[in-house]
Amino acid sequence: DTAVSQTPKYLVTQMGNDKSIKCEQNLGHDTMYWYKQDSKKFLKIMFSYNNKELIINETVPNRFSPKSPDKAHLNLHINSLELGDSAVYFCASSQEIPGRGEQYFGPGTRLTVT
Amino acid sequence: GESVGLHLPTLSVQEGDNSIINCAYSNSASDYFIWYKQESGKGPQFIIDIRSNMDKRQGQRVTVLLNKTVKHLSLQIAATQPGDSAVYFCAENPNTGGFKTIFGAGTRLFVKA
Repeated sequence: DTAVSQTPKYLVTQMGNDKSIKCEQNLGHDTMYWYKQDSKKFLKIMFSYNNKELIINETVPNRFSPKSPDKAHLNLHINSLELGDSAVYFCASSQEIPGRGEQYFGPGTRLTVT
Repeated sequence: GESVGLHLPTLSVQEGDNSIINCAYSNSASDYFIWYKQESGKGPQFIIDIRSNMDKRQGQRVTVLLNKTVKHLSLQIAATQPGDSAVYFCAENPNTGGFKTIFGAGTRLFVKA
């Protein structure tokens, strides 16, 4: 009965590789998000989609490309991985418009770039 | 600029005592605030929210206070339990600048048995 799920939970890869993280929510929400949490626990929004449309795109390198095939899925593809990309990436969803209401977070994907 | 910060990065309390976690925000345009709890190895979990037209809101064992004059937010946890040990984040939503939630740096709460 997982509300927001992410795969994989752990991802270890070398610099220069391309990797993807998948996210799915079964809550019927219209809005989904990707957040990055660094080693100091600072949580920063990267992207947000509402009804499959990109509505928030923070200052994120264009090596990061989100894709929303449908309202229940928001995937994150990262090209040419760098050491600084190491972090925990959280997917989230909400029923209300972005910036309003409770966000439901997934368990996170810990990305380690070596 | 945009910033949501916390006065105390680490707070240690005795089990059964009340906890108060503070947060300062700088964006006057913020009109919606949320507290999240993040346990080790998990994603943040919603605790309570408050809109700017309110000063206080109560939940189960938690109370959020909002002081718009000094741009201050606090989370009070009554009768703190070991299960309350976590990192707590305040977050703000400005009503300008496009729908993004801005998280504070987080406060780690330790509950001593």
